[in-house]
Amino acid sequence: QQQVKQSPQSLIVQKGGIPIINCAYENTAFDYFPWYQQFPGKGPALLIAIRPDVSEKKEGRFTISFNKSAKQFSLHIMDSQPGDSATYFCAASILGNQFYFGTGTSLTVIP
Amino acid sequence: GAVVSQHPSWVICKSGTSVKIECRSLDFQATTMFWYRQFPKQSLMLMATSNEGSKATYEQGVEKDKFLINHASLTLSTLTVTSAHPEDSSFYICSAYPRGRYEACTFGSGTRLTVV
Repeated sequence: QQQVKQSPQSLIVQKGGIPIINCAYENTAFDYFPWYQQFPGKGPALLIAIRPDVSEKKEGRFTISFNKSAKQFSLHIMDSQPGDSATYFCAASILGNQFYFGTGTSLTVIP
Repeated sequence: GAVVSQHPSWVICKSGTSVKIECRSLDFQATTMFWYRQFPKQSLMLMATSNEGSKATYEQGVEKDKFLINHASLTLSTLTVTSAHPEDSSFYICSAYPRGRYEACTFGSGTRLTVV
C-alpha cells in the first residue's frame, strides 16, 4: 500500500519554466513532509520540508504548497535550470519514526 | 549540519559471499538509523530500522537472516548481506538523524552492490 502517491512520473520543462510535482497522502497523523532531490548514484538530499500547520514555505527557488484539507502537497521549482535535472521524491513522516516515500519524479530541464 | 557517511560506495562480490556496508554519523549521535533499498528508477524501500543497543526492526518481507543489521554504537550501523545472490544486487542507502531532530534526517551517499 502506497502511503504517499506522487505524480507525474516524469517531467520535461524548458529552462526558466516552473515544474510542479504533486503528492497526496491519506494518513492524517503525518506531521512532517519533506522533499528530496536525488542525482544518479547518490543518496537523496533534503531540499525543503513543511509541517501541516503551514500552507506554504519558500526556500530559494523551491516552494512547497500544502493543502491540509485535501491532503495534498506540491513542490514548485521557480526559474528551473538544467542543473535541477534529477529525481525528486516527496515523503511523509510521523515524528520521524518512519519516512514514507513517493514513487519519484524524474525531472529534465532542457537548456 | 548532520553528516552521514556510507562505505563502500560500490562493491562487486561473488555469489555466495557476504558483504558488509557501514553507515556512520560523523558529527552527531544517532540512536536510530534506517536502511533502504532502491531499484533502478524506483523509490526507496525501507528495509529496516536500526536502533542502537537493540535488535533492528525489519519491514514485512525483508529476511532478517539475510540482511543482518548491527547498531553497536551511537555513530555506526552496519548492514551485512549474507550469502549474496544476483537478485540482491541493488542500491542500498542509510539515513539517520540526531536524537529528537528528525527534520535533520540525512542520507548516506549509497552503496551500489553488484553480485556476480
